[in-house]
Amino acid sequence: KNQVEQSPQSLIILEGKNCTLQCNYTVSPFSNLRWYKQDTGRGPVSLTIMTFSENTKSNGRYTATLDADTKQSSLHITASQLSDSASYICVVSQYTGGGNKLTFGTGTQLKVEL
Amino acid sequence: EAQVTQNPRYLITVTGKKLTVTCSQNMNHEYMSWYRQDPGLGLRQIYYSMNVEVTDKGDVPEGYKVSRKEKRNFPLILESPSPNQTSLYFCASSLSGGYFIQETQYFGPGTRLLVL
Repeated sequence: KNQVEQSPQSLIILEGKNCTLQCNYTVSPFSNLRWYKQDTGRGPVSLTIMTFSENTKSNGRYTATLDADTKQSSLHITASQLSDSASYICVVSQYTGGGNKLTFGTGTQLKVEL
Repeated sequence: EAQVTQNPRYLITVTGKKLTVTCSQNMNHEYMSWYRQDPGLGLRQIYYSMNVEVTDKGDVPEGYKVSRKEKRNFPLILESPSPNQTSLYFCASSLSGGYFIQETQYFGPGTRLLVL
């Protein structure tokens, strides 16, 4: 069964600190992996998209890594800000004849405190 | 501004009373999709549409209907809502549904539905 598992489930850090969120997946065949940020009460917003040939991609203070061999990804947040408080969702895509099928993780709830 | 809009944002209804949640995008995207999000579960796809008049079931289609008569609109219909359809619903769109491998999927703001 295709699955995406994220850890930790929740995380509290102090403003200015760094953190790393993990994503392990069993989805096959793999097309690409996406990280989304979802603020409370809002729709998810794309942070990064990586194919199997990419092992790192950055978007400002967000850096995603991908190891397609071990089927693991991480999202590193540098110098956290209060506005980083959100749920971070890992999404793995497999291409089918009918387009990309997405499997969503349940997310890591991040809270950044003063 | 490029966006996906949904209406209504909040809805309380009773079991069996038909309802429609509208979804519209202004980006000329071919692909549109509906998801539901429940606590402890990831987003799950209900239905998707690759183009006008082309729709297909996602992972949890039971109890839902969709139509795609125009490219920009993709309404979600609950013919006879039940309490287990209480959830947060998201509409999303993307250029082609994945033919362009790194295309971004844009989500609407969500519709919170409570079925009593």
